[in-house]
Amino acid sequence: QKEVEQDPGPLSVPEGAIVSLNCTYSNSAFQYFMWYRQYSRKGPELLMYTYSSGNKEDGRFTAQVDKSSKYISLFIRDSQPSDSATYLCAMSARSGGYNKLIFGAGTRLAVHP
Amino acid sequence: KAGVTQTPRYLIKTRGQQVTLSCSPISGHRSVSWYQQTPGQGLQFLFEYFSETQRNKGNFPGRFSGRQFSNSRSEMNVSTLELGDSALYLCASSASSGTGGGYEQYFGPGTRLTVT
Repeated sequence: QKEVEQDPGPLSVPEGAIVSLNCTYSNSAFQYFMWYRQYSRKGPELLMYTYSSGNKEDGRFTAQVDKSSKYISLFIRDSQPSDSATYLCAMSARSGGYNKLIFGAGTRLAVHP
Repeated sequence: KAGVTQTPRYLIKTRGQQVTLSCSPISGHRSVSWYQQTPGQGLQFLFEYFSETQRNKGNFPGRFSGRQFSNSRSEMNVSTLELGDSALYLCASSASSGTGGGYEQYFGPGTRLTVT
């Protein structure tokens, strides 16, 4: 079983929809949680990061961490065709080294006009 | 502020050869991490360098090595290339400034290595 599980999709939604992306994890020591967006043939772009638990909002993006359930989410409001990309969750623990990120498989999102 | 840069962007090598990839982190960032991305295995951590010292290492064979210079620039080397080494190699930098903060990693565009 992988440390971080993420549904690879693909997920197809109409423009303007609310998108919910999720990851579950098994290592309770994870404290740093990040979401990246990766366009085809590009490097991952950091969207959101959260230390420990709670919610964080940035524009159309909201990240949630539920450590009791070992579950993290990224919500995208008013989705746009330009949001079409692969979304990767990543996390790290102090014990493993905060900079050693463990990634989910990534969810491919397609937003159609 | 300039982002993470990686050179070269594309590389084609033959089995058995060796390759060196270069990464320049964001100015002021002292930590550089390397990752391998393949369609089958996704993104996997190779190693991290901080202040010219390897601070962390993933589960890759010894053919994969790296180093960091005093200006925080880093290089990654793969010796005796195998077909399975074909991948996108990504470098990420972080400020790594202390507990609870500064560990957000910013990635470069990657070097796409093809081994034939």
